[in-house]
Amino acid sequence: EAEVAQSPRYKITEKSQAVAFWCDPISGHATLYWYRQILGQGPELLVQFQDESVVDDSQLPKDRFSAERLKGVDSTLKIQPAELGDSAMYLCASSYSGDSYGYTFGSGTRLTVV
Amino acid sequence: DAKTTQPTSMDCAEGRAANLPCNHSTISGNEYVYWYRQIHSQGPQYIIHGLKNNETNEMASLIITEDRKSSTLILPHATLRDTAVYYCIVRAGGTSYGKLTFGQGTILTVHP
Repeated sequence: EAEVAQSPRYKITEKSQAVAFWCDPISGHATLYWYRQILGQGPELLVQFQDESVVDDSQLPKDRFSAERLKGVDSTLKIQPAELGDSAMYLCASSYSGDSYGYTFGSGTRLTVV
Repeated sequence: DAKTTQPTSMDCAEGRAANLPCNHSTISGNEYVYWYRQIHSQGPQYIIHGLKNNETNEMASLIITEDRKSSTLILPHATLRDTAVYYCIVRAGGTSYGKLTFGQGTILTVHP
């Protein structure tokens, strides 16, 4: 079964450092999403791509977060500088355009900022 | 997207049916009901979705009331591996831009 690949699985970084997460969606999936999940809460959408274009980044803290999907395939989410409150699980998901079956999620990157 | 209301937690005995309710009284005509679950430290997993008819797949059944204001996810024979957080989400269908907005979900604990 096809999977959404994410790396790293775990990341510990110091406050004020830069950190990056990578996501490789299922082949052929045009839509890619980045979610953030704080412990004990449901996932929150940060950014949504359709191919290489950003469709929704209204919840992305743009002063420190950036996301790109240059060739419309894999994607990188960056935080610079990291803050203690950024500690969370960062989830990537992908779907076909107009796919009524919803998304397929990756296993996520657990970020701890110390 | 319409907001959903779910109980915070539920318990179920192994082998019995687990019935998870969801209220979505403000759902509109083009919105689907989706169910996902999240097992500890994993990404959410799609379970089932429906518009107005009841649906069944290998994982679960989805019962949607006639007025579409509520639904129930049924796991017919719960196992310990079904212990997870279950999210009920309503989402506009027929578009690639219909995002999934997660709430708090229901923590289902299956007991031996």
